[in-house]
Amino acid sequence: NAGVMQNPRHLVRRRGQEARLRCSPMKGHSHVYWYRQLPEEGLKFMVYLQKENIIDESGMPKERFSAEFPKEGPSILRIQQVVRGDSAAYFCASSPGGGNYGYTFGSGTRLTVV
Amino acid sequence: AQRVTQPEKLLSVFKGAPVELKCNYSYSGSPELFWYVQYSRQRLQLLLRHISRESIKGFTADLNKGETSFHLKKPFAQEEDSAMYYCALASGANSKLTFGKGITLSVRP
Repeated sequence: NAGVMQNPRHLVRRRGQEARLRCSPMKGHSHVYWYRQLPEEGLKFMVYLQKENIIDESGMPKERFSAEFPKEGPSILRIQQVVRGDSAAYFCASSPGGGNYGYTFGSGTRLTVV
Repeated sequence: AQRVTQPEKLLSVFKGAPVELKCNYSYSGSPELFWYVQYSRQRLQLLLRHISRESIKGFTADLNKGETSFHLKKPFAQEEDSAMYYCALASGANSKLTFGKGITLSVRP
C-alpha cells in the first residue's frame, strides 16, 4: 500500500496562474481532507470530500479555490489566479470513515508563488 | 469554536531527560484528541489518540477534562524523538481536525 500520494511535491507558479494539486488516497479510503499550512502556523482545515461529494468546505476561501474528488482518479485542489499569499504547504489526508480513526497524511505539496 | 493551543514553539532537552509537550484545548463537546509527529523530511504521522489509551514509542498522553489538557509525556527522551509534534482535536460530525501550531522537540546527545 503506497499510502496517500500527493503530487507534485513542489510547485512554482507565477502570480495569476493556476495551480492544481493532486491527492490519491490510500487504497480503501473514500474520505479525503485538505489542509493548508502557512509559515509558522499549524495546519488549517480547508475541505472534506467523499467520492463525488463535497461534505464540508467551511475552510475554503470563498474565491479562487475549488476542490473535487471524482468517481475515478485523484482528488484535485485547484487554485485559480494564484497570489503570493497562497504560498504554503498543502496537505491531503485520507481516512476509511471519517477523522475519528485518525487520518493518514500525504507528504504535501509546497506551493511557491513568484 | 474549537481551539488547540500549544504554548511553546521549541523544547530542547538532553537524552534521557523527561519530556512534556503541552496541549490545551477549547471545545464545547466531547473532545477526541490526537498527537501527530513529523520527523525531518517525512510526512505527518499519527502518534497516538486518547481513545485508544495506548503508549507509542514510550509516549503517553492523558486527557484531563478539568484542565482541558492533553499533554504528551515521555520519561526518558531519545535522540530519535527529535521532531515536530502537533496536537489536534477532532470535532463535529465530519471529524475535521483542528491543529495546534506545533512544537519542535530537540533531543541533544
